[in-house]
Amino acid sequence: AQKVTQAQTEISVVEKEDVTLDCVYETRDTTYYLFWYKQPPSGELVFLIRRNSFDEQNEISGRYSWNFQKSTSSFNFTITASQVVDSAVYFCALSETLNTGTASKLTFGTGTRLQVTL
Amino acid sequence: KAGVTQTPRYLIKTRGQQVTLSCSPISGHRSVSWYQQTPGQGLQFLFEYFSETQRNKGNFPGRFSGRQFSNSRSEMNVSTLELGDSALYLCASRHAGGRDEQYFGPGTRLTVT
Repeated sequence: AQKVTQAQTEISVVEKEDVTLDCVYETRDTTYYLFWYKQPPSGELVFLIRRNSFDEQNEISGRYSWNFQKSTSSFNFTITASQVVDSAVYFCALSETLNTGTASKLTFGTGTRLQVTL
Repeated sequence: KAGVTQTPRYLIKTRGQQVTLSCSPISGHRSVSWYQQTPGQGLQFLFEYFSETQRNKGNFPGRFSGRQFSNSRSEMNVSTLELGDSALYLCASRHAGGRDEQYFGPGTRLTVT
């Protein structure tokens, strides 16, 4: 069975601090996809990044960066110089690959609530 | 391109009633998935439809059902509502139903009294 663990329930930082959100996953699939989503108070899940299991390159997008380490089954997300607008719940998710080879359902972690204050 | 739309956005129902939620995917997207979000259970997968066929189903009772139409729009139905069905129901669409990322709608908040 697939599992995603986000051990940090809530993190509070002051604006301009860097913050890392942890994600650890479990799967028996050899091919899988990892995702990060942001859920602001409005409720809509906003897609941030997708990473496949064969690509361990770290990725940077503006103030966001992701560190994928297959050896430790982790896919951590770092926000550099945090801003108040980054306040939201962040979810890490793992896709299940059907025997047809297509990715299907997402298994989500419990989310990390990030509060950025002035 | 318009995003995923869900109607209605808010709904209040009484125990025992049934409810139908609607989801219109992003134009060109053929896969639609449904998720339930509650404070206690988090985000849980309900089912996925691709080309009008249910391709995958989560661990929910048979009271939860869905369908997809030829224009890729999807509906989910919950019969004999229970208090525990109160949740945010999120719909997500994906382009080819494969490795593409899912884009979520704003959700329908269902309250069962």
